[in-house]
Amino acid sequence: QKEVEQNSGPLSVPEGAIASLNCTYSDRGSQSFFWYRQYSGKSPELIMFIYSNGDKEDGRFTAQLNKASQYVSLLIRDSQPSDSATYLCAVSKAGTASKLTFGTGTRLQVTL
Amino acid sequence: EAQVTQNPRYLITVTGKKLTVTCSQNMNHEYMSWYRQDPGLGLRQIYYSMNVEVTDKGDVPEGYKVSRKEKRNFPLILESPSPNQTSLYFCASSVKFRGTRAGELFFGEGSRLTVL
Repeated sequence: QKEVEQNSGPLSVPEGAIASLNCTYSDRGSQSFFWYRQYSGKSPELIMFIYSNGDKEDGRFTAQLNKASQYVSLLIRDSQPSDSATYLCAVSKAGTASKLTFGTGTRLQVTL
Repeated sequence: EAQVTQNPRYLITVTGKKLTVTCSQNMNHEYMSWYRQDPGLGLRQIYYSMNVEVTDKGDVPEGYKVSRKEKRNFPLILESPSPNQTSLYFCASSVKFRGTRAGELFFGEGSRLTVL
């Protein structure tokens, strides 16, 4: 079992729809959870982080965390073609940057 | 402008020819790290550094060396590159090593290395 699992996709959603990206993790001691966006040929950039159970909203993005079920999700409302990218879930064990484990990413395609 | 700068961005080399990929950050971050990204395997940590003269192995350190003589610089050294080190390499830094935001990384633009 991988430490951080994501469906590789591609996840295809029409423009204006809600994109839902999911991530599960295996270590119950994980403390912080991050979503990075990576455009093709570019470096990852942080878009959201969450460390408490529940929802965290930032503009069109909402991160959801459920530690009991060991999953974290990212919702993108009003999806735009510019949201087309690979979304990487990252999980920090023991609250240290050195223990950050990345999933392999979900490729999102927003269609016109 | 806050940034992490890597050089070279692209490199084709041959087996056994030593090379160094430089990384420099201008944000006064204490934590720096190197990752490699391969299709289907995602980002994997090679080495990291919590501060000057403090470095440690990540998940895939074999075949690599690092040093941290200055806070801003964290070069990655391949003493004798092999074809299995062909990959996309990212340097990253973080203001925090520990805490709830410890995974908030700033990445360099990446260095695509091909070893023939």
